[in-house]
Amino acid sequence: DIQMTQSPSTLSASVGDRVTITCRASQSISTWLAWYQQKPGKAPKLLIYKASSLESGVPSRFSGSGSGTEFTLTISSLQPDDFATYYCQQYNSYSWTFGQGTKVEIK
Amino acid sequence: QVQLQESGPGLVKPSQTLSLTCTVSGASISSGSYYWNWIRQPAGKGLEWIGHIYVRGSSIYNPSLKSRVTISVDTSKNIFSLALSSVTAADTAVYYCARVRLNVYYGSAKTDAFDIWGQGTMVTVSS
Repeated sequence: DIQMTQSPSTLSASVGDRVTITCRASQSISTWLAWYQQKPGKAPKLLIYKASSLESGVPSRFSGSGSGTEFTLTISSLQPDDFATYYCQQYNSYSWTFGQGTKVEIK
Repeated sequence: QVQLQESGPGLVKPSQTLSLTCTVSGASISSGSYYWNWIRQPAGKGLEWIGHIYVRGSSIYNPSLKSRVTISVDTSKNIFSLALSSVTAADTAVYYCARVRLNVYYGSAKTDAFDIWGQGTMVTVSS
């Protein structure tokens, strides 16, 4: 299986901060990568697919970049609603796998 | 508006079979444009893809669970189901059903991300 490693595991930030989360794949996955946001007690929500495509309805402050083995999710100006856990996921090859998650906390 | 809803027992005894159903509304499960998935998440932990089914093809499962998993579909009821046999406490988790789109990239159909999720259902394995 392709291993997905996110960093950091926890991130403390303030409203208005620019936030970047990194996801590394154990082998090349081209751009077959998605990012999800999950809040406590809720299902994950798709933010970004194919590494950099913004899902319909998702605010433009979210953006994704990268290819191959290194990817980033950026929140340009953190909003109160953005405090949550973020997961990356590869769908280049089976078995589809997720990163361990990055929790974005209030500083 | 497409919605997915999981249902099934919240408590399963060890060694028995966990059975869950996902009801799809707002879209036809018979559409060739989607794959239908199960994903789980133990409390306080990350997400694990269990497997998926495509109505115009076969099912594919996570190798770590393959010997115990069956995903099936009932197009007449617009539902798909998960059966996980010989469960242990390690199978205790929130179970989600989710949809994957088929998109065309570079002239070929390719599975995309999980775009629609159910709300999740908690299953506890305990005697």
